[in-house]
This record gives sequence, C-alpha cells and structure tokens, in this order.
Amino acid sequence: NAGVTQTPKFRILKIGQSMTLQCTQDMNHNYMYWYRQDPGMGLKLIYYSVGAGITDKGEVPNGYNVSRSTTEDFPLRLELAAPSQTSVYFCASSPVVGYTFGSGTRLTVV
Amino acid sequence: AQTVTQSQPEMSVQEAETVTLSCTYDTSENNYYLFWYKQPPSRQMILVIRQEAYKQQNATENRFSVNFQKAAKSFSLKISDSQLGDTAMYFCAFMKGGNYGQNFVFGPGTRLSVLP
Repeated sequence: NAGVTQTPKFRILKIGQSMTLQCTQDMNHNYMYWYRQDPGMGLKLIYYSVGAGITDKGEVPNGYNVSRSTTEDFPLRLELAAPSQTSVYFCASSPVVGYTFGSGTRLTVV
Repeated sequence: AQTVTQSQPEMSVQEAETVTLSCTYDTSENNYYLFWYKQPPSRQMILVIRQEAYKQQNATENRFSVNFQKAAKSFSLKISDSQLGDTAMYFCAFMKGGNYGQNFVFGPGTRLSVLP
C-alpha cells in the first residue's frame, strides 16, 4: 500500500506565484487533512474534508484553497504565495480515529 | 478549546536507558483520544502509541508505554531500552471523540536525542 502520497517533496516559489500541492490516498479513508508545520512548532490545521465534495476550514486557512472531487485526492492550492507560507506541509487521512500522514512538502517562498 | 503542553523542548538519553517525555492537556471533554507521534529527521510523522480516554489501562507498544492520568490530564510517554533510531521530535496530540472531522491538537514537541 502506498498510503498517503504527497507531491512535490520540495518546492521554491517566488512571491506572488501559485501552485498546487497534491495529496492522494489509497486507503479509502473518508477524512483528509492539510496541516502546516513551521520550524520548531507542532502542526496547525489548514483545511479538512469529511468526504468527497465536503471541505471545511481549519485553524489557518487564509491564503489557501482546497477541493475534494474524489475520495482519493485532496489538493491544496496556494494563490499569490507569500513568505509567511514558507513551511512544511503535511497531508493526512483517517478512517475515523488515527491519522496516516504523507511524507510532507517543504515549501520555500522567496 | 483544547490545548496540549509539552514542557520539555529538548531531552537526551543514553542508548539502552529509559526516558520519559511529559505531556499535559486541557479539555472539558470526556470522550477523547491521545496520541504520541514521532518525527525523525526524515520528516515522516509516525504514530507511536494511542490511548482512548475511556480505557483505564495504559497503552503499550513494545518499548513504548504511556502513563495516562485522566484526572490530572497527563499523558507521558516512556521509552525503554532507548535506541539510536529513537532520535526524533515527539509530538503529543489530542483528538476529541464523536466528531471525527475534528482535527488533532498538537503540542509543540520534544526533541529527543539518543546518545551512543
């Protein structure tokens, strides 16, 4: 099983550029999440989804958008990248309780 | 709102020794779950152990065990026979039960170094 797959693993963006972080899971989990982890900190929730077609904001949603057209995919869109979005981004999925995390995407905005 | 506190930013332990990482949390909920996650330098978040609040028995996974004190809202992680591969950031996390769309609340982490 691949589990939760995130791409890319690393990316450097210029201020004002846009990009999409991809997340795919093959475990048929209903719940999917996007977190960001700033240096020396724990994870903060950006957006989550409880099923295809349903998304909701987390603690730090500003500057991001998501969609969930299928159970498997939960892409995170950054519009007009800012230096404050420099972080490591984790996607996770869950059947009910307990997450499986992807390996993360290290994003630098310069 | 729930909060999770890890009061030890960094710890070190000699290989083969035992170390305990502290975690306290604040909640008014009665139905919840607690977790310890390990994040090695590879950056992968790995589930170490999980505890359901309704269970009085402390969870154990091989060399990892917890001391769950519900009344004190304490959830410490004990690592026995520490190995070099245990070097990582360790995050304590809280999850409210009943509404599984809710996210985890993570503590700030403890950086553990296992010394040869």
